[in-house]
Order: sequence, then C-alpha cells, then structure tokens
Amino acid sequence: GQSLEQPSEVTAVEGAIVQINCTYQTSGFYGLSWYQQHDGGAPTFLSYNALDGLEETGRFSSFLSRSDSYGYLLLQELQMKDSASYFCAVSSGNTGKLIFGQGTTLQVKP
Amino acid sequence: NAGVTQTPKFQVLKTGQSMTLQCAQDMNHNSMYWYRQDPGMGLRLIYYSASEGTTDKGEVPNGYNVSRLNKREFSLRLESAAPSQTSVYFCASWLGHGASYEQYFGPGTRLTVT
Repeated sequence: GQSLEQPSEVTAVEGAIVQINCTYQTSGFYGLSWYQQHDGGAPTFLSYNALDGLEETGRFSSFLSRSDSYGYLLLQELQMKDSASYFCAVSSGNTGKLIFGQGTTLQVKP
Repeated sequence: NAGVTQTPKFQVLKTGQSMTLQCAQDMNHNSMYWYRQDPGMGLRLIYYSASEGTTDKGEVPNGYNVSRLNKREFSLRLESAAPSQTSVYFCASWLGHGASYEQYFGPGTRLTVT
C-alpha cells in the first residue's frame, strides 16, 4: 500500500523558521509535492521534488531524499498569513494522481 | 481565465438521493481528478481521468461514478447518497506529463447527506 506520515500540528512565532517533515511508503514513486490549504479554501501548489536535493521558491524550500523516503518543507521568515494546513503528496506513475498525507496544521503566533 | 470551476458550492441531500457534481477547466489540461476531504483529513482520490476518453478508479471509488464529457468537463455522480459521503469534494486538473506537476484545484463542493 501507500502511506505518508507528517506531524499533525506545528506552532511557531512570526519571523521564525519551521520545518515540516514527511515520510512516505509507496511503489512507483515519481515525486513529492507540497500543497497549502487555508481554512475553507482549495489546496494550492507550493513545490515539487522529483530528484534528491533542495528546491527553493522565495521563502519556501522543499527537500527530498529518495533513498530515505523522506522530504520536508521549510518555511522561512514566517508571517501570520502562513497559518494554514500543509500537505505532502506522492505521485506514482505518469497519470499525475496524488496520494496525500493527512496534513500539518501550522499556527503562526505574533 | 476562470481556472477550475465547480458547481454547486453547497448541497444537502437525503439518504438515497442522487446528484451530479460538475467540474470544468479552461486551461486545456489533459488530466482531471476528483478528491474528497473529510474534516481534519487529507484529500483522497476518488476517480481520475488521465486524458479525454479515459477514467480510472482512485483510492475510494465505491458509491461514485464519473464521466469525462469532453476535455474541459469531468463530472462526479452519487447514485444513492449515504451519510458516509458527507464531505468536501474537490476537482483538480493537470496539464500532463512533461509539464509542471502543479495540480489546480477548484473551490470545492460542500456536501451534507442526512
């Protein structure tokens, strides 16, 4: 089967750095994606890693280690608007279908 | 450019009723997906259509059917609704293999089955 694990909640203060980890078990792994979802909203894409290493997009970075079946999302210079749920998702095969983790709720405090 | 649109936004059904959720995208994407999200949970794939004319089951297909009407539209049908199908339903689309892996999501349909 396929499964992903990520922490259920993380709390941090404005301006800080936070890392959200994701471990996965899957067959036919293609890549690891990260999505952000604000309360009541649609998920929005943050990043995708197919190869080992770090991808940086502004304040957000994502890392993948295929040998460890592990990735993380790094959020820097946290802002209040970053309070949201963050989901890792694995794509297997070239159909684009995603298997999502259960999500990490990030609360940013002043 | 509206992206991915879904109708209706909200719906209440009684057990045993049927309904169709509509989804359309105007980005000329090849692949489309239906997910459900239960409170406090991640999204689970119900059905997907990798390309026009094809559909396939995802993780939780029981109780649902889909139709890829054309490249733009992908509908989800509940033939006999059950309380366990109370959820938020998201439609998504993806350009296709070789392009960015970003999936674009619609605003969701909030369905309650009593």
